[in-house]
Amino acid sequence: TQLLEQSPQFLSIQEGENLTVYCNSSSVFSSLQWYRQEPGEGPVLLVTVVTGGEVKKLKRLTFQFGDARKDSSLHITAAQPGDTGLYLCAGADLWTGTASKLTFGTGTRLQVTL
Amino acid sequence: NAGVMQNPRHLVRRRGQEARLRCSPMKGHSHVYWYRQLPEEGLKFMVYLQKENIIDESGMPKERFSAEFPKEGPSILRIQQVVRGDSAAYFCASSPLRDGYGYTFGSGTRLTVV
Repeated sequence: TQLLEQSPQFLSIQEGENLTVYCNSSSVFSSLQWYRQEPGEGPVLLVTVVTGGEVKKLKRLTFQFGDARKDSSLHITAAQPGDTGLYLCAGADLWTGTASKLTFGTGTRLQVTL
Repeated sequence: NAGVMQNPRHLVRRRGQEARLRCSPMKGHSHVYWYRQLPEEGLKFMVYLQKENIIDESGMPKERFSAEFPKEGPSILRIQQVVRGDSAAYFCASSPLRDGYGYTFGSGTRLTVV
């Protein structure tokens, strides 16, 4: 069974601070996605990383996929209250017969205060 | 383009009743996935369907749960004889390909069993 552990589980920071969220597994994934979910809504895809060592930047968000394709990180620079939400990583494994399902991480709940 | 549409948004059922959850994928998406999110937990894969076919139901409970994606109309997740433990948010996602990319989630149906 593939598992994705996220850390920290909860993070409360002030506006303007930087933060990093980690997503770790003992399994290899063919791609990894990051989502943000707000209360009462479905997850919204932020980014997909597919190559080991890949780094993607989306404005103040930087995503990295580990060289071994087992881990990923999300770094937010100068956090804003609008960044508040539940951040989920999710791995896909195209190399097995059940390629399309995603294994979701345990989630990191971020709160950014003024 | 309309996104993934789920209805109802909220559903209350008494123990022993049936719950029917509907999902209309994005236009042009032929791959539909159902996920369940229990309170304070991540999303768990339930089933993956294409039109008229169940591709992967490895995450579905063995009893009382069924899913379909008919040639015409929305995908349906059906839960018979609901129990309190079925209370959760049920999310549908669709994608244009089976490679795990391009996932779009709906806003979910929140099922409460009383």
